[in-house]
Amino acid sequence: QVQLQESGPGLVRSSETLSLICTVSGGSISSYYWSWIRQPAGKGLEWIGRIYTNVSTNYNPSLKSRVTMSVDTSKNQFSLRMSSVAAADTAVYYCARESSGTNYRALDFWGQGTLVTVSS
Amino acid sequence: DIQMTQSPSSLSASVGDRVTITCRASQSISSFLNWYQQKPGKAPKLLIYAASSLQSGVPSRFTGSGSGTDFTLTISSLQPEDFAIYYCQQSYTTPRTFGQGTKVDIK
Repeated sequence: QVQLQESGPGLVRSSETLSLICTVSGGSISSYYWSWIRQPAGKGLEWIGRIYTNVSTNYNPSLKSRVTMSVDTSKNQFSLRMSSVAAADTAVYYCARESSGTNYRALDFWGQGTLVTVSS
Repeated sequence: DIQMTQSPSSLSASVGDRVTITCRASQSISSFLNWYQQKPGKAPKLLIYAASSLQSGVPSRFTGSGSGTDFTLTISSLQPEDFAIYYCQQSYTTPRTFGQGTKVDIK
């Protein structure tokens, strides 16, 4: 069974860079897209972007200028960096695997989520 | 971006009720539509993919239908563990987008 676990600082100062890592266990990080999604308290889900083994990335245009994703296949990890954070970036951040087939693409495995608070 | 609009935003229902949630895309997304269930303090869980395919381990009381721009999630007989927030998501193109969610609570 594939499992994902987010890790990183729970508190980031305003204007600094948020850095999170997602560790994948129970399966290889190769051959899938790996995604980041966030959710402010009491609000809906926002897709941040996805990466395919350092070959391909897609970022949400609303965040693209501030977001970088990478994969470390040797550690079965992928990461998110978001620069110049502000209070509006305070949210629970989830990592997830996107599986795909001929006629589907879906987020089938999720991490438990990690709360990141941006302080002034 | 493709906008996803769910209705209703919330509903109250009783155990055993049939519940229907709709999701409309701002443009055609074929059948690239997924449904997720989220309970308080937990990550979303995939219920339905490709508009109508049941994810492994998900009870058969959950069904999905639709294609193009209009989609439906139906719970045939609501169970106590089904009280949650449900989100639709399009995976036709990036950026992936979610509906605003439908909260199902106890009447």
